[in-house]
Amino acid sequence: EVQLVQSGAEVKKPGESLKISCKGSGYIFSNYWIGWVRQMPGKGLEWMGIIYPGDSDTRYSPSFQGQVTISADKSISTAYLQWSSLKASDTAMYFCARQSTDNWKHFDYWGQGTLVTVSS
Amino acid sequence: QSVLTQPPSVSGAPGQRVTISCTGSSSNIGAGYGVHWYQHLPGTAPKLLIYGSNNRPSGVPDRFSGSKSGTSASLAITGLQAEDEADYYCQSYDNSLSASNVFGGGTKLTVL
Repeated sequence: EVQLVQSGAEVKKPGESLKISCKGSGYIFSNYWIGWVRQMPGKGLEWMGIIYPGDSDTRYSPSFQGQVTISADKSISTAYLQWSSLKASDTAMYFCARQSTDNWKHFDYWGQGTLVTVSS
Repeated sequence: QSVLTQPPSVSGAPGQRVTISCTGSSSNIGAGYGVHWYQHLPGTAPKLLIYGSNNRPSGVPDRFSGSKSGTSASLAITGLQAEDEADYYCQSYDNSLSASNVFGGGTKLTVL
């Protein structure tokens, strides 16, 4: 069974750093792109970026380029999303999702989400 | 402002049929990229409903169907049930300068 399990909720202060994770199981992790999606409170889904764990090829949405870093460790089937200096506006739910390998490139499996709260 | 435009809300009574539109442009839906639909209940992971504009993953009831024409796509839900009340998002790929996956702004479906 394919599963993406994300790390738990985080409460941080502005200016702090953070790295959240997404661990895949039930499939060959290296062979599928993993994307990250943000949902701010009361808002819709926003695509942040995507990584191919096999070679760490990474693409970012222009809205998030330079704001976050996406990485992966294929040896432990885990993708990461990190911030070097959090802002209150980073408060959101973050989802990871696996992209299909067929021509359609949809997100077929999703993590349960990680709630990040940034408050002084 | 989302690249893909959806109505903020739709509603329908149990048993009725509703449709949710997703309007894009020549750099995404109109360029031939597939349109995918997700159902999202608060506090849960989004669930894939339709991929490649009109394909249903196994386990998704055939009450859900998708279509695409030109620069727009639609999700139709027939035999509306209370459990269908959720947020629905379309998603595609955009090949403009900001080449990336893109989501619609989301549509809240209310079952009356």
